[in-house]
Amino acid sequence: DQQVKQNSPSLSVQEGRISILNCDYTNSMFDYFLWYKKYPAEGPTFLISISSIKDKNEDGRFTVFLNKSAKHLSLHIVPSQPGDSAVYFCAATLNFGNEKLTFGTGTRLTIIP
Amino acid sequence: DTGVSQDPRHKITKRGQNVTFRCDPISEHNRLYWYRQTLGQGPEFLTYFQNEAQLEKSRLLSDRFSAERPKGSFSTLEIQRTEQGDSAMYLCASSFNWRGTVEAFFGQGTRLTVV
Repeated sequence: DQQVKQNSPSLSVQEGRISILNCDYTNSMFDYFLWYKKYPAEGPTFLISISSIKDKNEDGRFTVFLNKSAKHLSLHIVPSQPGDSAVYFCAATLNFGNEKLTFGTGTRLTIIP
Repeated sequence: DTGVSQDPRHKITKRGQNVTFRCDPISEHNRLYWYRQTLGQGPEFLTYFQNEAQLEKSRLLSDRFSAERPKGSFSTLEIQRTEQGDSAMYLCASSFNWRGTVEAFFGQGTRLTVV
């Protein structure tokens, strides 16, 4: 039972344009959401997070949007840079402060120079 | 380097052998997590510790798997009688549990291949 879903296995975006990565979840008890970025042969690194009491969180070029009614979140990267090419994982947790994460299957983002 | 350290980075073993992995968390972190990642999937939770106490184990963690965190410092994950289905990347993560963040820091992982 995949509780966190990333339906796009891959995405290619031109450098300088906006990258939008999507994530859907089924468990309405999730109350904290995170995005992790992973380069080959490295562990995931934290990117940005959002609490269920918010609908938007912004950090530099990265913005995460949460639509609780649709059980959907998205990560926007503007402008996209070649160094953003990586696999992006969406993750969710049941309780703020409990870092047991449920991950999606990931989206491989390729930024085209 | 003050990040999460995992050893070894790669392990090839024959089916039926036992293997043990080590994770050294960031020193001030009281929580330590083990995840497993197979090809094309996201990391899947296996177990976690708060200090030396193992607080939760996933049903993925069969009785062939055991994890310890003596004295609340480093942790070991042992797999007995390995099977080909155990081939995966084993990731360790650590965090400091306070109500300001849920960010977990991951190590580079140990890639296990069972032949």
